[in-house]
Amino acid sequence: ETGVTQTPRHLVMGMTNKKSLKCEQHLGHNAMYWYKQSAKKPLELMFVYNFKEQTENNSVPSRFSPECPNSSHLFLHLHTLQPEDSALYLCASSQGVGNSPLHFGNGTRLTVT
Amino acid sequence: EDQVTQSPEALRLQEGESSSLNCSYTVSGLRGLFWYRQDPGKGPEFLFTLYSAGEEKEKERLKATLTKKESFLHITAPKPEDSATYLCAAFGTGANNLFFGTGTRLTVIP
Repeated sequence: ETGVTQTPRHLVMGMTNKKSLKCEQHLGHNAMYWYKQSAKKPLELMFVYNFKEQTENNSVPSRFSPECPNSSHLFLHLHTLQPEDSALYLCASSQGVGNSPLHFGNGTRLTVT
Repeated sequence: EDQVTQSPEALRLQEGESSSLNCSYTVSGLRGLFWYRQDPGKGPEFLFTLYSAGEEKEKERLKATLTKKESFLHITAPKPEDSATYLCAAFGTGANNLFFGTGTRLTVIP
């Protein structure tokens, strides 16, 4: 595996379910990110981890809960979501925070019914 | 307010018809700008970083340029495989200072 890998690729969940998104990076980077991508909107930063410490929480509702056990793995735990949370969730990594370009996975397409 | 605006929203070109995509930005303490390509069903793929006005980067049929207010992605003699959404993102200082545009959806017709 190379680059940034996200699983699952697609997820359909009810509003009362609990699920988790997984991200793994094989680039040796030390920063990892969760972004939300909705149609006709700019990418929205959700969370940033630098050396597995959370450095940014961009006013994200508590129904989204991130976890970063090490610099290579990132999770997004989901519970009691709303239909408006349906979107493409992208994980990214970078070497350092600030100047370095982000490298993205192919995302998880989430549908909340 | 820090923001990035991309135009046009969508662009259709005949194969071989060169054109440019625009990315204008108002980001305080700008440190640079990224260009990405995103294919349907995939994540954004990194193309270029530009750090200062006057800088240019090239890759195959793509050339990115930067001024103090905007960046251009020039596509020379495009091919159908260049069809994608192109995103730009301007960054200032810190992790929360990366601002994405909404992208230009490019379609190249054979």
